Amino acid sequence: AQSVTQPDIHITVSEGASLELRCNYSYGATPYLFWYVQSPGQGLQLLLKYFSGDTLVQGIKGFEAEFKRSQSSFNLRKPSVHWSDAAEYFCAVVSNTGFQKLVFGTGTRLLVSP
Amino acid sequence: EAQVTQNPRYLITVTGKKLTVTCSQNMNHEYMSWYRQDPGLGLRQIYYSMNVEVTDKGDVPEGYKVSRKEKRNFPLILESPSPNQTSLYFCASSFTRLAGGAGELFFGEGSRLTVL
Repeated sequence: AQSVTQPDIHITVSEGASLELRCNYSYGATPYLFWYVQSPGQGLQLLLKYFSGDTLVQGIKGFEAEFKRSQSSFNLRKPSVHWSDAAEYFCAVVSNTGFQKLVFGTGTRLLVSP
Repeated sequence: EAQVTQNPRYLITVTGKKLTVTCSQNMNHEYMSWYRQDPGLGLRQIYYSMNVEVTDKGDVPEGYKVSRKEKRNFPLILESPSPNQTSLYFCASSFTRLAGGAGELFFGEGSRLTVL
């Protein structure tokens, strides 16, 4: 079965600094990958997704992610973090064993310092 | 506005008292599912539904029931809640299959349930 690893539980970044959140997946074939953001008290909002083609994917709110098959990674990046980006971020992959199921990582909580 | 609506958003109950968390979507989506979110575990699928009257178990179905009598609604039923069902629950829907890249899950705002 697939799994998704987000090795950083918490990350603190200064406002205006760049951000990279790590995500590694285990999957034999071409994965369908997603990044979601969860703001406090809110549901999950899709930031971006990858399913084929260009390995650099652009999303909403200035985020991008790069799919690297050789490293089984799908890291999320943003060149300049804003205080409003403080939230929890989840990487997910479509399961090949369940129907319409996303397998989620455990999440990375982003804190933004002034 | 396109949305997935869950109710209640917050609920404190006692062991054994049946409860239902409602979920409704206004996007005419065929696929609906329930996830629970627990610290350190991420989100895990409880049940899913491919269409009206078609439901199946996800990864953690024990202690839960679902029904899909109408396309827009997908309630989650806890017949006899226990403290290990204390969690944050999310309903989600999608128009097409996730595999293939065309689909995406739209999530409700979550229902925080505490079972004493």
